[in-house]
Amino acid sequence: DTAVSQTPKYLVTQMGNDKSIKCEQNLGHDTMYWYKQDSKKFLKIMFSYNNKELIINETVPNRFSPKSPDKAHLNLHINSLELGDSAVYFCASNKQGQETQYFGPGTRLLVL
Amino acid sequence: SQKIEQNSEALNIQEGKTATLTCNYTNYSPAYLQWYRQDPGRGPVFLLLIRENEKEKRKERLKVTFDTTLKQSLFHITASQPADSATYLCAPYTGFQKLVFGTGTRLLVSP
Repeated sequence: DTAVSQTPKYLVTQMGNDKSIKCEQNLGHDTMYWYKQDSKKFLKIMFSYNNKELIINETVPNRFSPKSPDKAHLNLHINSLELGDSAVYFCASNKQGQETQYFGPGTRLLVL
Repeated sequence: SQKIEQNSEALNIQEGKTATLTCNYTNYSPAYLQWYRQDPGRGPVFLLLIRENEKEKRKERLKVTFDTTLKQSLFHITASQPADSATYLCAPYTGFQKLVFGTGTRLLVSP
């Protein structure tokens, strides 16, 4: 199936831990994004990469570090997790110049 | 500051009626605006895009209008069906290769 996939789907962890979320797309896109959707369903962009280069970095704490090993992958590492990090994290992708974004199924992170 | 407002309360309508959802934005002029559908536990899915020089766009039972004077987009679903129940997000393009999403309006279509 051609799609944007994320792992894991669910992540429950303790405060202070470090965790990673992975995203892969096989759509041949060159731009990838991380969004955070909070409990009020507000979907906010965090980062964007184009051809492995960071192009959008919203005001996100330094504890969040994205990494793009290649055009098809964008990972998100979170250090020292806090309660407020609990949310659904969505990965998305598109081809540069095309407006439509394709979203993954989301990773539900719960920090206890 | 830039703001996008959608009805935060759920819209309840009966099957067969037309659903109309509103998206208002302030303090910027988007070159285009997109509408996405989000089902519970899933990522948003693109539905329609309308550009600033287009008044109206249609796709099957969906229709979007874009009034740059009023700074408003309306999203219509005609002959609504229970399967149309979902949250609908508007996303004006704010520039800098960035979409900003509204908080969404939950639509409930009852049989």
